[in-house]
Amino acid sequence: DGGITQSPKYLFRKEGQNVTLSCEQNLNHDAMYWYRQDPGQGLRLIYYSQIVNDFQKGDIAEGYSVSREKKESFPLTVTSAQKNPTAFYLCASSIDPTGAGELFFGEGSRLTVL
Amino acid sequence: RKEVEQDPGPFNVPEGATVAFNCTYSNSASQSFFWYRQDCRKEPKLLMSVYSSGNEDGRFTAQLNRASQYISLLIRDSKLSDSATYLCVVNYHTGRRALTFGSGTRLQVQP
Repeated sequence: DGGITQSPKYLFRKEGQNVTLSCEQNLNHDAMYWYRQDPGQGLRLIYYSQIVNDFQKGDIAEGYSVSREKKESFPLTVTSAQKNPTAFYLCASSIDPTGAGELFFGEGSRLTVL
Repeated sequence: RKEVEQDPGPFNVPEGATVAFNCTYSNSASQSFFWYRQDCRKEPKLLMSVYSSGNEDGRFTAQLNRASQYISLLIRDSKLSDSATYLCVVNYHTGRRALTFGSGTRLQVQP
């Protein structure tokens, strides 16, 4: 079955630690995205990538880093510089690289900082 | 003004009721519009795209008013299973290739 796989689903981190969230897709989509969702709020864009080896900052990129070395993979690193990292992280992809098309989401990763 | 604005609700309605949600967006150059549904602690899923002429999918009707910069979602004959948060989504930034999400409107359908 085609889709997006995020791992881990739940993650606990101590303050000061970096953590990497995995996102893999087998939909052959060029565009991939990372969003963050806080309780009772909508999704906010962290980073996005239209093509391999290229990515752009979204609205809340500070304290995060990404890479896009393969079309299928778009991992997100939450660094110790991110002041309030506890949140629900959603990875998405789209066949439309213009950013105007339907998004397909993974099941999300829930990060808690202890 | 928020880029994409929705009434957070919650909307509490009885089964069988008709309910409507509105969403306003502040960039008149926006071209693509969607409604997504998100269940509690789950990922969002596309409910329907919104076309200029309006479109319908079963009990759901979406409309776009470009002059007033809002989109709407009408749900007829509400079911218990319609209880969820409904997210308004717009390609807000013409210079950025990504979609912008509203904060969502929560719907609770009661027996």
